[in-house]
Amino acid sequence: AAGVIQSPRHLIKEKRETATLKCYPIPRHDTVYWYQQGPGQDPQFLISFYEKMQSDKGSIPDRFSAQQFSDYHSELNMSSLELGDSALYFCASSLRGRTSRDYGYTFGSGTRLTVV
Amino acid sequence: AQSVTQLDSHVSVSEGTPVLLRCNYSSSYSPSLFWYVQHPNKGLQLLLKYTSAATLVKGINGFEAEFKKSETSFHLTKPSAHMSDAAEYFCVVILYSSASKIIFGSGTRLSIRP
Repeated sequence: AAGVIQSPRHLIKEKRETATLKCYPIPRHDTVYWYQQGPGQDPQFLISFYEKMQSDKGSIPDRFSAQQFSDYHSELNMSSLELGDSALYFCASSLRGRTSRDYGYTFGSGTRLTVV
Repeated sequence: AQSVTQLDSHVSVSEGTPVLLRCNYSSSYSPSLFWYVQHPNKGLQLLLKYTSAATLVKGINGFEAEFKKSETSFHLTKPSAHMSDAAEYFCVVILYSSASKIIFGSGTRLSIRP
């Protein structure tokens, strides 16, 4: 079965550079969530999109932006990278409504970003 | 306010002995509850889910969890631990609301002693 695909799997950037992370949801899923998980931390919600519109916003820094495209894939853009941005970034997808509550959310394997 | 509390940040058991990872929740809504497992440097994998059907839920790899509404608990158990069970485990509440927010517990690190 198709899963949530994230790319790249690993990314190394220098301070003050920019990075773009991509998330391809499960086919027909209309909602995408982004999470950041620092070393030894639980995942922190960043932002979510439903039908290409931002639906909820968490602790996303102003240096970060995200969008969902017409094919429902999403990109997280990160600028002026700092050492503290080093983390595992997860994407999850779901189908809005009772289905998502009943069946949960499917997570991608994450992108590990290292800022040096 | 909705929240999830994992009562132990670290649990260590011997191989072959039972595992108990505790989770309590608070929710104004009828919750959907999940357990996810995360192996080192890996993504989150769904172990099992409770969605208002049977209160005893069986998942993958021999894990199961029981939803107890009176105790607002959803503890994860396994009769006999295996070395491959060593990982981080997250109890998750998913709310049925327009925002459909996912709430993570703080995680429990399970270590298995030979």
